[in-house]
Amino acid sequence: AQKITQTQPGMFVQEKEAVTLDCTYDTSDPSYGLFWYKQPSSGEMIFLIYQGSYDQQNATEGRYSLNFQKARKSANLVISASQLGDSAMYFCAMRESYSNYQLIWGAGTKLIIKP
Amino acid sequence: NAGVMQNPRHLVRRRGQEARLRCSPMKGHSHVYWYRQLPEEGLKFMVYLQKENIIDESGMPKERFSAEFPKEGPSILRIQQVVRGDSAAYFCASSPGGDNGASREFPNTGELFFGEGSRLTVL
Repeated sequence: AQKITQTQPGMFVQEKEAVTLDCTYDTSDPSYGLFWYKQPSSGEMIFLIYQGSYDQQNATEGRYSLNFQKARKSANLVISASQLGDSAMYFCAMRESYSNYQLIWGAGTKLIIKP
Repeated sequence: NAGVMQNPRHLVRRRGQEARLRCSPMKGHSHVYWYRQLPEEGLKFMVYLQKENIIDESGMPKERFSAEFPKEGPSILRIQQVVRGDSAAYFCASSPGGDNGASREFPNTGELFFGEGSRLTVL
């Protein structure tokens, strides 16, 4: 069974609009961490934001915020005021406490920002 | 640049040859992770190493693949007798060890710092 599901293979968004990238996860571990990474066309993997399962508040990092709904097991990434440079693949990943610190990755969402 | 350094960035091999991919972690990091990314897919964990120790190699194919992280020098991912299916991007990541920002849940908490990847093409 898929542990990380990103249901949007691709998205087109107008520049300056906000965008939400979906991520749902499946785990029975009460202690886990959720990550979002950005992979531009150049190929490197860039960390964006982290949410711990015990964190009381949603994580925010600049224009990035994580809409963490623990009961629904969703961890959507919200990018406010999108920019052309936000065009990239976005990956959601999870780390469980008993998985020897492996990251389990979703298949990614390709985001294209239109001018 | 004190980031994670991987080389080569691109490597082309013919079937049956050997591929060696190198990774130097960020300064002060003693944990190294290798991941493989097939086209149009997310990353898949391969192996987790600390200096001179393989901690978890559960994601590594049992044959032809090996990894090491010697006391001195970079971590090496070695693929012997490559086949076309080995064509992929191989990412190395590092994280600090010990109690640098540790939490009860994750002794080495925080994000993984990734290199730019090594893209292997097998002809």
